[in-house]
Amino acid sequence: KAGVTQTPRYLIKTRGQQVTLSCSPISGHRSVSWYQQTPGQGLQFLFEYFSETQRNKGNFPGRFSGRQFSNSRSEMNVSTLELGDSALYLCASSLADKRGDTQYFGPGTRLTVL
Amino acid sequence: GESVGLHLPTLSVQEGDNSIINCAYSNSASDYFIWYKQESGKGPQFIIDIRSNMDKRQGQRVTVLLNKTVKHLSLQIAATQPGDSAVYFCAEIGYKVIFGPGTSLSVIP
Repeated sequence: KAGVTQTPRYLIKTRGQQVTLSCSPISGHRSVSWYQQTPGQGLQFLFEYFSETQRNKGNFPGRFSGRQFSNSRSEMNVSTLELGDSALYLCASSLADKRGDTQYFGPGTRLTVL
Repeated sequence: GESVGLHLPTLSVQEGDNSIINCAYSNSASDYFIWYKQESGKGPQFIIDIRSNMDKRQGQRVTVLLNKTVKHLSLQIAATQPGDSAVYFCAEIGYKVIFGPGTSLSVIP
């Protein structure tokens, strides 16, 4: 079974631009979660989508948004990019038919904001 | 964001020795815990999990111990190999997922 895939793997943007990242979950997985990983803050939860609905949200500003499609693929968008948004953005999928399902991570998208 | 864990950023271990990586968690209501391994340039990879009704769980060369009294979790790696060099994260799952800060394990050949 193919793992979680994320595109693009690397991205360079400038301040003020917006960016869209894509995640394809493992086949059959209905939950997709997004995380931001930085050296200073570690892994921080952004949001979780399940059956096209945002089910949980972390403490990030409204510039960070996401959505999930009927095939469970998910996108996250960051508008008005700031230098501090430079990070590795990880997507994780799970069956999520009950709390505590194991999340499987993709390789991440490395975003650099100049 | 939220994070959990003792701040133990680096652990160096001789090849063949056992490694112990520790983690403290914050929410006594968390009922599921996972250890992840993250190699350079890759996303976190599931290693082993444990539910709160267990104290110990063993996998291949890895053992996770859970002490609910002091809200402490540990990962033991037997006969550590160079391929074990990575950052290891604990995660507690309750109503949300909270990751520890991570420990960098370096294996000395």
